[in-house]
Amino acid sequence: QKEVEQNSGPLSVPEGAIASLNCTYSDRGSQSFFWYRQYSGKSPELIMFIYSNGDKEDGRFTAQLNKASQYVSLLIRDSQPSDSATYLCAARNFGNEKLTFGTGTRLTIIP
Amino acid sequence: GAGVSQSPSNKVTEKGKDVELRCDPISGHTALYWYRQSLGQGLEFLIYFQGNSAPDKSGLPSDRFSAERTGGSVSTLTIQRTQQEDSAVYLCASSPIGSRKANEQFFGPGTRLTVL
Repeated sequence: QKEVEQNSGPLSVPEGAIASLNCTYSDRGSQSFFWYRQYSGKSPELIMFIYSNGDKEDGRFTAQLNKASQYVSLLIRDSQPSDSATYLCAARNFGNEKLTFGTGTRLTIIP
Repeated sequence: GAGVSQSPSNKVTEKGKDVELRCDPISGHTALYWYRQSLGQGLEFLIYFQGNSAPDKSGLPSDRFSAERTGGSVSTLTIQRTQQEDSAVYLCASSPIGSRKANEQFFGPGTRLTVL
């Protein structure tokens, strides 16, 4: 079992709809969680991080964390074609600097 | 300011040769990370440097892989006796403070390594 798991997709969402990306993790020592966006052929860029249970909103993006169920999600409201990319979920343990990444979910926004 | 830079952007080598990949982090960033990303895969952690502390080498896949960071800035990842399974994009990242609970890692453009 991978430490961080994501559905590889592809996930297709119509423009203007809500895209929901999910991630589960197996290590209960994981404390911080990150969502990176990676366009094809480009390097990852951070969208959001979360370390408290509940929701965290930033513009059109909302990260959700449920430590009891060990899942993290990213919601993208009012999806735009420019949101089409691969979204990588990553986990980090307290006191350990490395990030453990999932394999990513490829998201396509259909105009 | 300038972001993380990596060189070369592409490297094609023959099986058995040694390669060196370079990373120049953002100025002032004390933490530096190496990852690799194989086709269609997520990022795999390789090694982490923080200031003058001993590096975390726990992700290096074999003793053919090594890395150093000179003067707390530029880092070089060396792969000896390359194998075809080493083909991947090697990404370097840096962050300003390695000990905060949540810190952003800024990624470079990567080096695409192809071993023939």
